[in-house]
Amino acid sequence: SQTIHQWPATLVQPVGSPLSLECTVEGTSNPNLYWYRQAAGRGLQLLFYSVGIGQISSEVPQNLSASRPQDRQFILSSKKLLLSDSGFYLCAWSRDRGSPLHFGNGTRLTVT
Amino acid sequence: GDSVTQMEGPVTLSEEAFLTINCTYTATGYPSLFWYVQYPGEGLQLLLKATKADDKGSNKGFEATYRKETTSFHLEKGSVQVSDSAVYFCALSEGEGGSEKLVFGKGTKLTVNP
Repeated sequence: SQTIHQWPATLVQPVGSPLSLECTVEGTSNPNLYWYRQAAGRGLQLLFYSVGIGQISSEVPQNLSASRPQDRQFILSSKKLLLSDSGFYLCAWSRDRGSPLHFGNGTRLTVT
Repeated sequence: GDSVTQMEGPVTLSEEAFLTINCTYTATGYPSLFWYVQYPGEGLQLLLKATKADDKGSNKGFEATYRKETTSFHLEKGSVQVSDSAVYFCALSEGEGGSEKLVFGKGTKLTVNP
């Protein structure tokens, strides 16, 4: 069976510090991978998605970047965090078009 | 672009009450429609889905019917339980080139009291 791992579960970082959130998927190959952010009162916003190694599409301009160095690894990064980067970050994968998304348990990021 | 609008919460019900959470969408194509549920402190889980008009998705006593004529996908449950307390998200799919992107509504928080 397939599983998705996302870590850390919670993170408190000062403004201006770097960020690296990691997500890995097991039990499947060549998944579509996604990063979503859930901010208070704003629902879920798609940040990045990837259909293959090294292929990243950005949905909104922002202070964040994403990378996919391996088939089942998806990393969300920032060089300098802003207060507005606080939120709940969710990684997800899907098998192909028409398949539902499977989410990780999320990372609660607080930028102070 | 495509969008999803769902009723704003929070919704508070007593156990065994009837639940309806409204969801309407706008889309240029023929998307698939989903309901996801997020329990406290967790990620999202797929609750049910429908892929074409008049399809009914169902799971755990929840149901939703894909209504193309009214562009709606309302979530219903006949008798809610305390364990149904969660945030519910309506979503539609859009995708090109093999990717699948979900557009989510803002979520509706449901609290069920004993």
